[in-house]
Amino acid sequence: EAQVTQNPRYLITVTGKKLTVTCSQNMNHEYMSWYRQDPGLGLRQIYYSMNVEVTDKGDVPEGYKVSRKEKRNFPLILESPSPNQTSLYFCASSLGWGLGQETQYFGPGTRLLVL
Amino acid sequence: QQQVKQSPQSLIVQKGGISIINCAYENTAFDYFPWYQQFPGKGPALLIAIRPDVSEKKEGRFTISFNKSAKQFSLHIMDSQPGDSATYFCAASYAGAGSYQLTFGKGTKLSVIP
Repeated sequence: EAQVTQNPRYLITVTGKKLTVTCSQNMNHEYMSWYRQDPGLGLRQIYYSMNVEVTDKGDVPEGYKVSRKEKRNFPLILESPSPNQTSLYFCASSLGWGLGQETQYFGPGTRLLVL
Repeated sequence: QQQVKQSPQSLIVQKGGISIINCAYENTAFDYFPWYQQFPGKGPALLIAIRPDVSEKKEGRFTISFNKSAKQFSLHIMDSQPGDSATYFCAASYAGAGSYQLTFGKGTKLSVIP
């Protein structure tokens, strides 16, 4: 089944304790992205990647890191989480960009609570 | 910052009625306008999308109307059903050099009551 998977689905942590949220897709997609969803703010892009070893900042990158060492994986790293990073996080992927390839396929989400 | 403004924030519609959600954008370079549907506990999923070379696109009960001169586009859900109750996001993007982002509106929570 074509899908985007995220782990963990739920996470409670404390301020300053490094964490990683994994994202994997099995569709051989070039483009991958991380979004956070907050009430009243919609979906805001954190980072995106056009291909292996190619990443760029989205609209809200502060406090986050990403890496793209393999085409299928795009982990989101919070080096020192803070309470304002409590949110619902979505990973998404698409075939590419432009020419009808932009359709984003979203994972099921990771709900993070930082105490 | 590129923006897509979406309204209303929430919408209650009677079963069988028409749901209308509106979006406005600023960047005239945008050339792709999708709508995503999100059910509680799930990730968003593409519902329907349009490019500015057409003014309307229909898929079943869902229609996008696009007004290029006004820089506005809207989603119409005909014969709304309780199963349509979800959050809807409009979005916009363009395939320009160095621009690989999908900008989302803030979402509209639709409730269709029996």
